[in-house]
Amino acid sequence: GAGVSQSPSNKVTEKGKDVELRCDPISGHTALYWYRQSLGQGLEFLIYFQGNSAPDKSGLPSDRFSAERTGGSVSTLTIQRTQQEDSAVYLCASSPRGVTDTQYFGPGTRLTVL
Amino acid sequence: AQSVTQLDSQVPVFEEAPVELRCNYSSSVSVYLFWYVQYPNQGLQLLLKYLSGSTLVKGINGFEAEFNKSQTSFHLRKPSVHISDTAEYFCAVSVSNYQLIWGAGTKLIIKP
Repeated sequence: GAGVSQSPSNKVTEKGKDVELRCDPISGHTALYWYRQSLGQGLEFLIYFQGNSAPDKSGLPSDRFSAERTGGSVSTLTIQRTQQEDSAVYLCASSPRGVTDTQYFGPGTRLTVL
Repeated sequence: AQSVTQLDSQVPVFEEAPVELRCNYSSSVSVYLFWYVQYPNQGLQLLLKYLSGSTLVKGINGFEAEFNKSQTSFHLRKPSVHISDTAEYFCAVSVSNYQLIWGAGTKLIIKP
């Protein structure tokens, strides 16, 4: 079956612009995660959705970051007024329920802020 | 704060030699432990996980890991590596019922 997909695969933007990243999880997976991976770093947890609800938004780096999930499916991560330090690979993963389940990762969106 | 340490950023090893990738974590509570692998130009995928029971966990592609609670470690091993094992390996530990903390990754470099 189809895996997790993310779009765009690459995004180059100018400092100060807004960007929107999209994640399509595996159908039926209720849990969805967003991570950020900077060069040489591990994955940094950003936000978790269970269905359409995000019980913990504490991982979002600043109020410039927001995320939503609709219909228990597609999720979008929005970064407003991008800064150079936002440059990273943004990964989305989904799992059937929660933390003990295997997380299935998308290919990521590489964001470059000039 | 809870953390995961992968001491080696790169591990070079000859083909058909054994390998151990180290992972230590800091946590005072029961945890679930994971190893994920990222092959070149591919997404992350689960290699193995420890939830409970036997402390020796077997995963895909001949890898295994041993949970050591007293040493708070979850080292990954393979008795004989192949060129196709070239990848970056990430250790992760649960810190809540939904959140994982990830190590910085270890690049396994196979020398012919």
